[in-house]
Amino acid sequence: GQQLNQSPQSMFIQEGEDVSMNCTSSSIFNTWLWYKQDPGEGPVLLIALYKAGELTSNGRLTAQFGITRKDSFLNISASIPSDVGIYFCAGQRGNAGNMLTFGGGTRLMVKP
Amino acid sequence: NAGVTQTPKFRILKIGQSMTLQCTQDMNHNYMYWYRQDPGMGLKLIYYSVGAGITDKGEVPNGYNVSRSTTEDFPLRLELAAPSQTSVYFCASSYRLAGISYEQYFGPGTRLTVT
Repeated sequence: GQQLNQSPQSMFIQEGEDVSMNCTSSSIFNTWLWYKQDPGEGPVLLIALYKAGELTSNGRLTAQFGITRKDSFLNISASIPSDVGIYFCAGQRGNAGNMLTFGGGTRLMVKP
Repeated sequence: NAGVTQTPKFRILKIGQSMTLQCTQDMNHNYMYWYRQDPGMGLKLIYYSVGAGITDKGEVPNGYNVSRSTTEDFPLRLELAAPSQTSVYFCASSYRLAGISYEQYFGPGTRLTVT
């Protein structure tokens, strides 16, 4: 089965730095979603993108739906220790099953 | 709302044993899903349901069964546990109406070890 190509796999940054991660696919998605997963927890939705070219912010997080509908990126500005976790992108085609295809995740570590 | 709840949180099974992972949602979502997450990987879809009485296979259905007798509940059954089924299992739900799909919300997960 297809997984989205998410990069980088991991990042170790200093508190206060900005972070950028992205996902690419060989096929088109109608919706892009970004989730964060804390240790021992389920993924929690951060941002949902519904239209090609859309740029959406949620606090210090900004995500964009690529114009080709085959990619998306997530930026986190001024990182803080609680940003630590695994970030997943997910693409949704909007077909009858409403199924998601997940990226492999980006593990973010923040040094205070 | 409790959202999506899963039980148990942890379980250790011997090879060949069976068990049912429970999932309940109280958001009146019509769609429900089961995923597995192997270490360092993203989530892979096992089964999904678009409504009570309707289920369908996802990407990795072998070794599992599901049923959906009510809108709220979507149990996942392992009949003959194998070490390859050691994983963390997540249940999720979402709403779809008139062709519009809404976001999936996830439960906290069940960590299963088969030895």
